[in-house]
Amino acid sequence: EDQVTQSPEALRLQEGESSSLNCSYTVSGLRGLFWYRQDPGKGPEFLFTLYSAGEEKEKERLKATLTKKESFLHITAPKPEDSATYLCAVQEAGTASKLTFGTGTRLQVTL
Amino acid sequence: NAGVTQTPKFQVLKTGQSMTLQCAQDMNHEYMSWYRQDPGMGLRLIHYSVGAGITDQGEVPNGYNVSRSTTEDFPLRLLSAAPSQTSVYFCASSRGVSGNTIYFGEGSWLTVV
Repeated sequence: EDQVTQSPEALRLQEGESSSLNCSYTVSGLRGLFWYRQDPGKGPEFLFTLYSAGEEKEKERLKATLTKKESFLHITAPKPEDSATYLCAVQEAGTASKLTFGTGTRLQVTL
Repeated sequence: NAGVTQTPKFQVLKTGQSMTLQCAQDMNHEYMSWYRQDPGMGLRLIHYSVGAGITDQGEVPNGYNVSRSTTEDFPLRLLSAAPSQTSVYFCASSRGVSGNTIYFGEGSWLTVV
C-alpha cells in the first residue's frame, strides 16, 4: 500500500527565512511525485511533477527535489503570499492517475 | 476556459437524504475522479473514470455512486447521506491515465446533520 508522510505538520517562517518541507513516500514503482499548493477554501493548485530520483524543478521561490525515498520542497526567501498548505502526492505506476496524498504542511510566512 | 467546475459549493443535508454533486470539465480530459478531504487526513480517492462509460472504485467508495455518460461530466451521488459523509469533496481531471498533471476543482462543502 502506498504511503506518503509529510513533515513538519506546520511551519512558521519570517519573511526571507528559507526552509524546506519534507515528503517521505513508499510506493511500488513510482510513476510520479506531485506537489500541490492549497489555499483555505480552495482546491489544490498544481506546482510540480517529479518522475525520477535526482530530478529538480523550480518555480519562482520554490524548488522541488526527488530521491528514491523522499522529496523536498525548498522555499527560498519566502513572502507572506507563500502562506498555504503544501500537499505531496504519489502516483504508482499502472494505477490510472490515482494519487495517494500526504496530510500536508501548513506554512505561515509572517512579516 | 473554466477548467474543472463543481456545483454546489455548499450543501447541508439531513441524514438519509440523497443528492448529486456535479462536476464538469472543458479540457477534453479522459480521466476524472472524486476525492474527499477530511481534517488530519490526506485527500482520499472515492471513485474514478478513465473514459465515458468506464468507472471504478477508489479507496473509500462506500455510500457513493458515479456514472460517466459523457467525457465532460462526472457526477457523484450520495444515495442515503450519513454524518460520516460530512466532508469537502474535490473533483479532478487529467489528460490520459498516467503521469499527466491532475487538475482539481474548487471543492464542494457538504454537511450531513
